[in-house]
Amino acid sequence: DAGVIQSPRHEVTEMGQEVTLRCKPISGHNSLFWYRQTMMRGLELLIYFNNNVPIDDSGMPEDRFSAKMPNASFSTLKIQPSEPRDSAVYFCASSRKQGTDTQYFGPGTRLTVL
Amino acid sequence: AQKVTQAQTEISVVEKEDVTLDCVYETRDTTYYLFWYKQPPSGELVFLIRRNSFDEQNEISGRYSWNFQKSTSSFNFTITASQVVDSAVYFCALSEAGRDDKIIFGKGTRLHILP
Repeated sequence: DAGVIQSPRHEVTEMGQEVTLRCKPISGHNSLFWYRQTMMRGLELLIYFNNNVPIDDSGMPEDRFSAKMPNASFSTLKIQPSEPRDSAVYFCASSRKQGTDTQYFGPGTRLTVL
Repeated sequence: AQKVTQAQTEISVVEKEDVTLDCVYETRDTTYYLFWYKQPPSGELVFLIRRNSFDEQNEISGRYSWNFQKSTSSFNFTITASQVVDSAVYFCALSEAGRDDKIIFGKGTRLHILP
């Protein structure tokens, strides 16, 4: 079975540019989570969806960040405009159902904003 | 509020030694779930175990074992006869049933297995 798929795996961009990260959850999973990992702050939950509906976006750092889940098999995390402090590894995870079920993580997207 | 503490930031042991990674959690719920994840140098996060609060039996999987003690709010992870491939960052995590849908992760313990 395919795991969570993320693209791109690496992204290098210049400050001010728009960045779009993509995620395909495991088929049959109803919940999808976006995380950011940095050395300073560790693993932070940005937003999560259940049945394609955003449930909690309190972790989204600011209005420059937005996330969508147009259908059960696809989600995007967009940063516009990007800033150097957005440099991090962004993980997408999915679980069969919300909350306490096990989350399975994608390989991550390493974002570098110059 | 829920909280996960991994007091050991970094541990180094020589190959074949046993090593225990500590995890202490805080929760007001009686029903909750505990997790361990491994993040090897390649960067992916690999699920290791999920344990619910009503199951205090210790778990063993090969060289890995987990000791869940509600009395001390701990969920420690032991690697027996460590190997270099065990070098990774290990995260403990907690989720409270029926509250919200978040898993709260600890800061992680970086484990170095020296050859």
